[in-house]
Amino acid sequence: DIVMTQSPLSLPVTPGEPASISCWSSQSLLQSNGYRYLNWYVQKPGQSPQLLIHLGSNRASGVPDRFSGSGSGTDFTLKISRVEAEDVGVYYCMQGQQNPITFGQGTRLEIK
Amino acid sequence: EVQLVASGGGLVQPGGSLRLSCAASGFAFSNYWMSWVRQAPGKGLEWVANIREDGSENWYVDSVKGRFTISRDNAENSLYLRMNTLKVEDTAVYYCARAFQGAFDYWGQGTPVTVSS
Repeated sequence: DIVMTQSPLSLPVTPGEPASISCWSSQSLLQSNGYRYLNWYVQKPGQSPQLLIHLGSNRASGVPDRFSGSGSGTDFTLKISRVEAEDVGVYYCMQGQQNPITFGQGTRLEIK
Repeated sequence: EVQLVASGGGLVQPGGSLRLSCAASGFAFSNYWMSWVRQAPGKGLEWVANIREDGSENWYVDSVKGRFTISRDNAENSLYLRMNTLKVEDTAVYYCARAFQGAFDYWGQGTPVTVSS
């Protein structure tokens, strides 16, 4: 199974400041077709998870451009250029390359 | 508008059974893999099972193999999860989700399952 590891697990951020979350996979998520099957989700309080970034760096429909994803085979990063109050929630990375599909532990973003 | 509406959760005793349903609308259901993902109270997300577009292939997390069965009815645009021999550790909110390019691009609202005596 592919193990997904996130850091940090807690992230206090001042509004307007940038934020960054790292995610590592125990196996490369880069496929021969050039796709990286790494996704980012946010679960806001009381809500279902929602897709932010798919295929490593593609923003999902409706996601603000202050969110960006990057990374190579095993090391990935989610960046928020300027955190807003509405960004509070738990952020998860997930590998969709092979079954069993696996998630990172989650990173709780809070506003200072 | 894509909608996934999960139902069927509730309180069940250990060893009991439950069948979850997920009604899909707003997209061509038969063209997508579908999944169930769960979240235990205060915990993170755990993928449970997925099923191919035509129902011919399915996969499960090890902890539910032999106890849970995922199925679908493309004529009814519905996804199901039959859960047998339920354990206390199966207590969670269960989400149905649509799979696309290795991601879950739409999620239902979740249905809570509590396994307790």
